[in-house]
Amino acid sequence: DARVTQTPRHKVTEMGQEVTMRCQPILGHNTVFWYRQTMMQGLELLAYFRNRAPLDDSGMPKDRFSAEMPDATLATLKIQPSEPRDSAVYFCASALSQDADTQYFGPGTRLTVL
Amino acid sequence: EDQVTQSPEALRLQEGESSSLNCSYTVSGLRGLFWYRQDPGKGPEFLFTLYSAGEEKEKERLKATLTKKESFLHITAPKPEDSATYLCAVISGGYNKLIFGAGTRLAVHP
Repeated sequence: DARVTQTPRHKVTEMGQEVTMRCQPILGHNTVFWYRQTMMQGLELLAYFRNRAPLDDSGMPKDRFSAEMPDATLATLKIQPSEPRDSAVYFCASALSQDADTQYFGPGTRLTVL
Repeated sequence: EDQVTQSPEALRLQEGESSSLNCSYTVSGLRGLFWYRQDPGKGPEFLFTLYSAGEEKEKERLKATLTKKESFLHITAPKPEDSATYLCAVISGGYNKLIFGAGTRLAVHP
């Protein structure tokens, strides 16, 4: 049963600390997306990669957020330093390479910054 | 600017009471419209993709339809297990960027 996995599922940290979230896309999918979901803003795209190269990170605060794909089976989203306004659920999704292909979402990482 | 609006925000139904959810969109060039279901504490689960006006897709009690301005998710004889938030999203232009609506929270009571 192919699915996107994310770790950790929950993270509580203090303001100023570094947070790293990890995602394993579905095997064979070469497009990976990071989304953030809050009650106020809903689901927002932060960044996406194709073949491990970043294609769009315009939704991401550049001064504190960074996203990478060290290899085809791992995507990371890092926040340094974290702030209380970063509290949200962060989802990773993956898709095949063709345009407008269906995106499959992971279970999310619920981040709380105190 | 591309925009997706879902209505109603919340819907309460009795088991067996059929209804429809609406997703209206304004995009420069629609390349795909997606319906997802999201349960509390979980990620969005893919339901349907529609690519062109007139297209319809069905899955169990759900049927999605698409026109040039909106999509409907019809729920026939719903059951309590259909309770969830239903999200609509579109892809337009040259990117794979999904633009989501705010969702409709559906509660089906026995």
